This record gives sequence, structure tokens and C-alpha cells, in this order.
Amino acid sequence: EAGVTQFPSHSVIEKGQTVTLRCDPISGHDNLYWYRRVMGKEIKFLLHFVKESKQDESGMPNNRFLAERTGGTYSTLKVQPAELEDSGVYFCASSQGDRGRYDEQYFGPGTRLTVT
Amino acid sequence: GDSVTQMEGPVTLSEEAFLTINCTYTATGYPSLFWYVQYPGEGLQLLLKATKADDKGSNKGFEATYRKETTSFHLEKGSVQVSDSAVYFCALLEAGTALIFGKGTTLSVSS
Repeated sequence: EAGVTQFPSHSVIEKGQTVTLRCDPISGHDNLYWYRRVMGKEIKFLLHFVKESKQDESGMPNNRFLAERTGGTYSTLKVQPAELEDSGVYFCASSQGDRGRYDEQYFGPGTRLTVT
Repeated sequence: GDSVTQMEGPVTLSEEAFLTINCTYTATGYPSLFWYVQYPGEGLQLLLKATKADDKGSNKGFEATYRKETTSFHLEKGSVQVSDSAVYFCALLEAGTALIFGKGTTLSVSS
């Protein structure tokens, strides 16, 4: 069974440009999460999809970030326009979603975003 | 709100040394607790977990016990190897929420 995949693995863009990150969850997983780790800090939650609906987007830093999950399969996270402080590693995770605090999340390898 | 605090790194050890990485948490309910590991160039992997008080999670020689009385979930390994060099994250999960992580502890093991 394929795990969670993310694309690209690395992205280097200039301030003001746009970048779109993609996440493909494990097949059949209804829950999809985005997290971010800024250099040296903790991994922080950004948002949570249940199928195609945004369940919780309380972690999204501002309106320059837009996440979508069309059809309840893969998800994209767009940053427009990118700022220097957006640099970090963006992780995607998926879970089956019906087990509460027993619901194990499986993580992708992350996308390292560098904004110069 | 809920939070996780883990010891700051980096932790530098010689091969076969004993490892402890401290983790404490605050939570309003009864969370599950996790240790995730990120090896160089790879993504986050679940190392071990515990879902209730006094549970012990174990994997690859690592162990952690869910201590409700001290709100702790310290990671231990009796004899580390060079291949254990990685970043270790303590995390908690309450029902209906996302994972809450600590800042991560970098472990470097030399031969």
C-alpha cells in the first residue's frame, strides 16, 4: 500500500511568488491534515479536511494560504504571495478518521519550502 | 490549551550509551501520546505510542511509559546506535483535534 506522498520535495521561490504544494493521502483515508515546521520550532497544525470539507482551519496563519481538497482525494496548499517567514517544512498526514484519539496519522516526507 | 514540552537538544551520545529524552504534557482530557522520529532526508515516522495511563509503548528498542501522575512520556533506549541519529518529536492527540507536537530533539550518535 502506498504511503502519503508529497510534491515537490523541495521548492525555492522568491518573496512575492506563488507556490503550490500537493499531498496525496493513503487511499481510503478520509482525514487529511497539513502541518508546518518552521526552522527549530515545533511542528504546528495548519488545517484538517474530512473528505472534501474543511473541518478545522484554525492553524492557517493568514489569508495568503489556501488549501483545497477537491473530490476528497488529494489536497493542495497554495501560498500566494509567499513571504520570508513562510519558509519551513510542510507536512501532510492522513488517517482513517473514525477512531478519535486512537486515530493514527501517517505522515508524508514533507516539502521543504525556502523563500528568498 | 494543550501543549507538549520536550528537552532541548542537541543530544550527543556515543554508541551503546543510554538515552533519555524527556517529554511532559498538559492536556484538558485524556490524550494518546506518541513519539515520532524523522531520520535525515525522510519524513515523520511513528516510533511508538500509548493510549492510556501506565501503558508502555515500545519499538526498535525504544520505550516510553504514559505517566498520568507526572504528565510525562519520556523516551528511553538502553543502547543507542549510530543509526538512531535523528530528530525525535513527542506529541499528543485528543479526540477531535490535531496532533500537538513538541519542538523536537536532535539526537546525534557517534561510533
